[in-house]
Amino acid sequence: SQQGEEDPQALSIQEGENATMNCSYKTSINNLQWYRQNSGRGLVHLILIRSNEREKHSGRLRVTLDTSKKSSSLLITASRAADTASYFCATVSGYTGANSKLTFGKGITLSVRP
Amino acid sequence: GAGVSQSPRYKVAKRGQDVALRCDPISGHVSLFWYQQALGQGPEFLTYFQNEAQLDKSGLPSDRFFAERPEGSVSTLKIQRTQQEDSAVYLCASSLAGGPDTQYFGPGTRLTVL
Repeated sequence: SQQGEEDPQALSIQEGENATMNCSYKTSINNLQWYRQNSGRGLVHLILIRSNEREKHSGRLRVTLDTSKKSSSLLITASRAADTASYFCATVSGYTGANSKLTFGKGITLSVRP
Repeated sequence: GAGVSQSPRYKVAKRGQDVALRCDPISGHVSLFWYQQALGQGPEFLTYFQNEAQLDKSGLPSDRFFAERPEGSVSTLKIQRTQQEDSAVYLCASSLAGGPDTQYFGPGTRLTVL
């Protein structure tokens, strides 16, 4: 079963614009992570935000977490054509090994037009 | 640097054949996860190892699926008597410790069952 639901399902923007992607989840979490997947390739970890954090930055990425609303957003600033990919949010609900599995949403397809 | 590797990258099997998929995690990583990703979907958890111990196999879809990690490093996912619904990308991920840490993914094995 999939816990996260990303919104929108697909997003098309012009290079240089910002891209905002949202994720909602259903149960309490330890942390939430965002991953990128290029066509035919594996998942690349982008950023992890813990349940006691509200905002985190990494380069052109900004992620927020609102545990009261069970939602997160990923902002990519000054997008590039190379950002074209599928983006997934994934939650971890537990604290110990067996409960540290990732539960993914269905993903958002981002297209950045040159 | 050595990341997670998987082999083969692509596998075509006739229905009813057995297949074995290999994962080489990052050296020294305690935790190893297998996920299944159907076309257009997010990955779904299959099973989890902490060193050589399989602590969670709740995501394995049937008793035709079997995974092992006998020496706590390399892992093999075996699917017996493959069915068409087994067609998917099988992803392996490893993380350093036994907690809810960042998981590093391999490129995946794309299995097609004819």
